[in-house]
Amino acid sequence: QKEVEQDPGPLSVPEGAIVSLNCTYSNSAFQYFMWYRQYSRKGPELLMYTYSSGNKEDGRFTAQVDKSSKYISLFIRDSQPSDSATYLCALTQGGSEKLVFGKGTKLTVNP
Amino acid sequence: GAVVSQHPSWVICKSGTSVKIECRSLDFQATTMFWYRQFPKQSLMLMATSNEGSKATYEQGVEKDKFLINHASLTLSTLTVTSAHPEDSSFYICSPARRETQYFGPGTRLLVL
Repeated sequence: QKEVEQDPGPLSVPEGAIVSLNCTYSNSAFQYFMWYRQYSRKGPELLMYTYSSGNKEDGRFTAQVDKSSKYISLFIRDSQPSDSATYLCALTQGGSEKLVFGKGTKLTVNP
Repeated sequence: GAVVSQHPSWVICKSGTSVKIECRSLDFQATTMFWYRQFPKQSLMLMATSNEGSKATYEQGVEKDKFLINHASLTLSTLTVTSAHPEDSSFYICSPARRETQYFGPGTRLLVL
């Protein structure tokens, strides 16, 4: 079983839709959870950063972490064509431990 | 978010030459620097981890003599691809870390002919 599983998609939604992106993981030692957005031919951009279980909201984006289920989610409300990108979940145990990435989900928001 | 620069943004070179990629964290000091490689339509692959002033730790399958990493200061790290070959053509991305958060550079696209 891979450490982090993420459905690669592709996922296509109409403008204004609510988007749900998810990752599952197997290592209960992960403590820090991140979502990155990567546009084509660009480096990843940090979107959300959460520690332990719970929700975190930033504008149209909400990150959820359920450590008991080893499940993390990113919700995008009122999706826009500019949200079209690949979204990567990333997890780490903390300290100087490296990030473990999901494969990324390619999202297209159609106008 | 943090500001990270990479130079050059793209490079085309002949097989057998060496290419140096610079990564700078412009507004914070990065005690740890990660270097990734990304092939088309694939996720990021960690190549190596370096701490300022120490030798880099390479991931399995990454040749340390081919991919030379220097992390001389808290704001600058370099990756040198020595004797590059076409199979080294890829997108190279640095990632300076501050505590548990990693930020990414814009990437360097390398094409080896």
